[in-house]
Amino acid sequence: DVQLVESGGVVVQPGGSLRLSCAASGFNFHDYAMHWVRQAPGKGLEWVSFINWDGSTTSYADSVQGRLTISRDNTKNYLFLEMRSLRIEDTALYYCAKAGGAGSFYEYYMDVWGKGTTVTVSS
Amino acid sequence: SYELTQPASVSVSPGQTARITCSGEALSKQYGYWYQKKPGQAPVLVIYRDRERPSGIPERFSGSSSGTTVTLTISGVQAEDESDYYCQSTDSSGPYQLFGGGTKLTVL
Repeated sequence: DVQLVESGGVVVQPGGSLRLSCAASGFNFHDYAMHWVRQAPGKGLEWVSFINWDGSTTSYADSVQGRLTISRDNTKNYLFLEMRSLRIEDTALYYCAKAGGAGSFYEYYMDVWGKGTTVTVSS
Repeated sequence: SYELTQPASVSVSPGQTARITCSGEALSKQYGYWYQKKPGQAPVLVIYRDRERPSGIPERFSGSSSGTTVTLTISGVQAEDESDYYCQSTDSSGPYQLFGGGTKLTVL
């Protein structure tokens, strides 16, 4: 089965740092672009970041640019989100999602999602 | 920057047709995608490339596109379709991804 499992969500103080991980299985992870998406309590979905199949292309929402860094390890089938200078408004359930298409022909829709990991930024 | 606008809520009776719109300039150049999001569950892709349905999604879900608007249509709505629905598209200047604010579908 195609599966994504996020981990690393914790309670952290404002200004703190943490790293989220997403373990992929059941598909050729190295062939697919990936996204991070979050949902704050009581709010809608918010796209956070994108990385292409080999990590050579990344993009970020304006709200996280310069504070969050997406990366991947295709040898271990892991996606990461390094988070620093965390703010109260970063509190959310963070999902990793597999992008459509494959290789250079990636598309931006998200056809497989994990169950998410919760980040709480609070003093 | 671009935005995607959805109605906050849509209500229909079982068996009727629900239509949820998503409007924004990005949709004139990029595909629209639709997700079903139920409380406590991960989002599920129900439409991609404006009108394509992933395998496993019931045929009652369909999509269309015209100009700067994409529409998700659910024909013969069932109680299990009650959910939040989100559209997504791409601001190609980034490329950044955009989500609409979400539409709560209520089955009366």
